[in-house]
Amino acid sequence: DSGVTQTPKHLITATGQRVTLRCSPRSGDLSVYWYQQSLDQGLQFLIQYYNGEERAKGNILERFSAQQFPDLHSELNLSSLELGDSALYFCASSVGAGAGRETQYFGPGTRLLVL
Amino acid sequence: GNSVTQMEGPVTLSEEAFLTINCTYTATGYPSLFWYVQYPGEGLQLLLKATKADDKGSNKGFEATYRKETTSFHLEKGSVQVSDSAVYFCALSDRGDDKIIFGKGTRLHILP
Repeated sequence: DSGVTQTPKHLITATGQRVTLRCSPRSGDLSVYWYQQSLDQGLQFLIQYYNGEERAKGNILERFSAQQFPDLHSELNLSSLELGDSALYFCASSVGAGAGRETQYFGPGTRLLVL
Repeated sequence: GNSVTQMEGPVTLSEEAFLTINCTYTATGYPSLFWYVQYPGEGLQLLLKATKADDKGSNKGFEATYRKETTSFHLEKGSVQVSDSAVYFCALSDRGDDKIIFGKGTRLHILP
């Protein structure tokens, strides 16, 4: 158990809908990272927050947004969902801000299926 | 841009066999290199890392050496176990960059 929790574990929804994925980092970790894992694209970095502020952005679509709250939990919002958004979404956390220098601890993921 | 290329799987070995999973990288700076492992139904776990040339990362019997001259970070284990069956990801992060770039992953099956 990494100490990172994600809810829900599974999510099934329809095209055009909007969903929210939630992540609670390990106690004491200030950084939260979001990743998307799909069969064709592999594991892609989406976005990072550090202590409530956006720190780094990866291949995140404009239909997707995220935020980190004062209690450091984070939410990833996916809207106008398309079939191709079906994937496993991981959250990770680390103590500091530098992804290259910090060990990231991954949650178990949320599996999203868009029908 | 920065990228990671690792051997495609699946790789199937018998228990106690020697394992090598190849990984090469392209980076503009001096990256840190990582191997992550994903067991079935779980998130990724850091297996080992190396932050500069000639460093050797090791953990749980796995080793990888940061080779700048060949831009490689191959994962090795002398004697694999059934419990090593998982997907292994090679990754890099460039200095000053907060992103980690992952390879596509290599699925490993160990037969008893």
